[in-house]
Amino acid sequence: EAQVTQNPRYLITVTGKKLTVTCSQNMNHEYMSWYRQDPGLGLRQIYYSMNVEVTDKGDVPEGYKVSRKEKRNFPLILESPSPNQTSLYFCASSLAFLPQETQYFGPGTRLLVL
Amino acid sequence: AQSVSQHNHHVILSEAASLELGCNYSYGGTVNLFWYVQYPGQHLQLLLKYFSGDPLVKGIKGFEAEFIKSKFSFNLRKPSVQWSDTAEYFCAVNAPLLNTDKLIFGTGTRLQVFP
Repeated sequence: EAQVTQNPRYLITVTGKKLTVTCSQNMNHEYMSWYRQDPGLGLRQIYYSMNVEVTDKGDVPEGYKVSRKEKRNFPLILESPSPNQTSLYFCASSLAFLPQETQYFGPGTRLLVL
Repeated sequence: AQSVSQHNHHVILSEAASLELGCNYSYGGTVNLFWYVQYPGQHLQLLLKYFSGDPLVKGIKGFEAEFIKSKFSFNLRKPSVQWSDTAEYFCAVNAPLLNTDKLIFGTGTRLQVFP
């Protein structure tokens, strides 16, 4: 089944404790992206990747890192999480970043930073 | 910088009522436009998209949207809503000549449909 998977789905952590949220897709997609969703703010893009070893900042990259060593994986790293990073995070992928290509979203990761 | 506005934050309707959700964007050049839906507890799914051709776009589940360039709008419509349409709806815009690789989302409209 074609899908985008994220792990973990739920995470509670404390300020400053490094964490990684994994994202994997099995559709051989080139484009992958991370968003955070906050009430009243909608989805905001954190980072995106056009292909392996190619990543770029989105609108809210501060406090996050990403890597794209393999086509299928695009982990989101919080080196020193802070409470303002409490949010719902979505990973998405598409064959390429073209309007005719549909973006597929993962199920989301709900993060609480204490 | 481009922006996307969804002025209806929360809409409450009865089943069979007609729906129109507003979406306005700020960029005057070429745009690609999308509507996504997020059912409770689920991830986002694409409802419909416009990138060229007929400005009236038909999507899944009876939804349609009309691109009106002069009004910078891409409103979502459905003639008769169902309880199962209860969800959050997001409009999104890509301006390929401005920032080629990004989708800008609106803040979302929460739709509640009562039987």
